[in-house]
Amino acid sequence: QVQLVESGGGVVQPGRSLRLSCAASGFTFSTYAMHWVRQAPGKGLEWVALTSYGGSNKYYADPVKGRFTISRDNSKNTLYLQMDSLRAEDTAVYYCASSWQLDYWGQGTLVTVSS
Amino acid sequence: DVVMTQSPLSLPVTLGQPASISCRSSQSLVYSDGNTYLNWFQQRPGQSPRRLIYEVSNRDSGVPDRFSGSGSGTDFTLKISRVEAEDVGVYYCMQGTHWPRTFGQGTKVEI
Repeated sequence: QVQLVESGGGVVQPGRSLRLSCAASGFTFSTYAMHWVRQAPGKGLEWVALTSYGGSNKYYADPVKGRFTISRDNSKNTLYLQMDSLRAEDTAVYYCASSWQLDYWGQGTLVTVSS
Repeated sequence: DVVMTQSPLSLPVTLGQPASISCRSSQSLVYSDGNTYLNWFQQRPGQSPRRLIYEVSNRDSGVPDRFSGSGSGTDFTLKISRVEAEDVGVYYCMQGTHWPRTFGQGTKVEI
């Protein structure tokens, strides 16, 4: 069955960096586009970024453009989110989701940006 | 950006009774391929989101047939024919046609 397992969250100071990972299994990862979506505490869902199945096309939400980088390693069935210049407002649970229309989601990893 | 507006934001329901959530987009969600990429997600308390409906009206595998989606263009609806206790949670619509992808604010369904 499809499994998406996020990791890499934690507490980080403003201005610092963090890299999230999403390990995929149960499907042919290299043929699926992949997303990151976040949810601030007590708030709704916010789409963050997408990479196409080969990694050549990438799209970002305006609040993270220029600070976050989505990437993937199809040989390792893993999706990444490099987050630089973190701000307090980036505090959220970060989910990875598969396919252009987000058919499967992981359990999420919490990122807290605080001094 | 395409703004997705859900109503109501809070929906008290009675077990066994129907429920309906509206989602309106600020632009047409018809893509150049002719498909309309409007999805519905359910997030139960303490859980990750789960997709229920894709492309307006297609139920995902394992989704009970009491859930149905309808609509076109900019106006969409999620209906639950008979609410069950396990349906409590927050429901989100999301457009998958335009960049950036955008979600509605969420509708909290509670008994």
